[in-house]
Amino acid sequence: EPEVTQTPSHQVTQMGQEVILRCVPISNHLYFYWYRQILGQKVEFLVSFYNNEISEKSEIFDDQFSVERPDGSNFTLKIRSTKLEDSAMYFCASTQDTANQPQHFGDGTRLSIL
Amino acid sequence: DQQVKQNSPSLSVQEGRISILNCDYTNSMFDYFLWYKKYPAEGPTFLISISSIKDKNEDGRFTVFLNKSAKHLSLHIVPSQPGDSAVYFCAASVAGGFKTIFGAGTRLFVKA
Repeated sequence: EPEVTQTPSHQVTQMGQEVILRCVPISNHLYFYWYRQILGQKVEFLVSFYNNEISEKSEIFDDQFSVERPDGSNFTLKIRSTKLEDSAMYFCASTQDTANQPQHFGDGTRLSIL
Repeated sequence: DQQVKQNSPSLSVQEGRISILNCDYTNSMFDYFLWYKKYPAEGPTFLISISSIKDKNEDGRFTVFLNKSAKHLSLHIVPSQPGDSAVYFCAASVAGGFKTIFGAGTRLFVKA
């Protein structure tokens, strides 16, 4: 079965540094998402992306965050100047259609900000 | 933002018995509901869903019930198996929308 893959599995970064998290969605999917889960808390929606633009974003997704689909396969989340509170698991997901379909999730990237 | 609530952080059930996981929501615009299962070090995996036009959906050992008037849904697992031990997330979305709202999760322990 096709999978969403995320790299790296664990990223350690100094506070204030930029970080890029990478995702390869399922190839025939058109909608892409980023979520985060702070340790012990719920999975929180960050942003959705379709047709090369942001469809919807949460209040968490401020100016420090950006997303990009630089080529036909990758979908990236960039945090420009990381803060301690950005430490979390970041999950990428994709669907063929809108959110009214089960989303396929990657196994996540654990981001640790020192 | 507590639009989707799972008030039980954990549940322990004997193998072979029924597991019932509960979820409440506050946004009456939600019309599609899902349950995801999550093992440690993995992403959430879709389990079962239900549209607001239905009140029950069944898939093998898993059944989801939706009570729109109470804004409540539940997941029943019968019979429970040790491999069902995981965190279960309730999630909801709006038709044509682009985001899914998750609950905080319930950790299910199925004892052999």
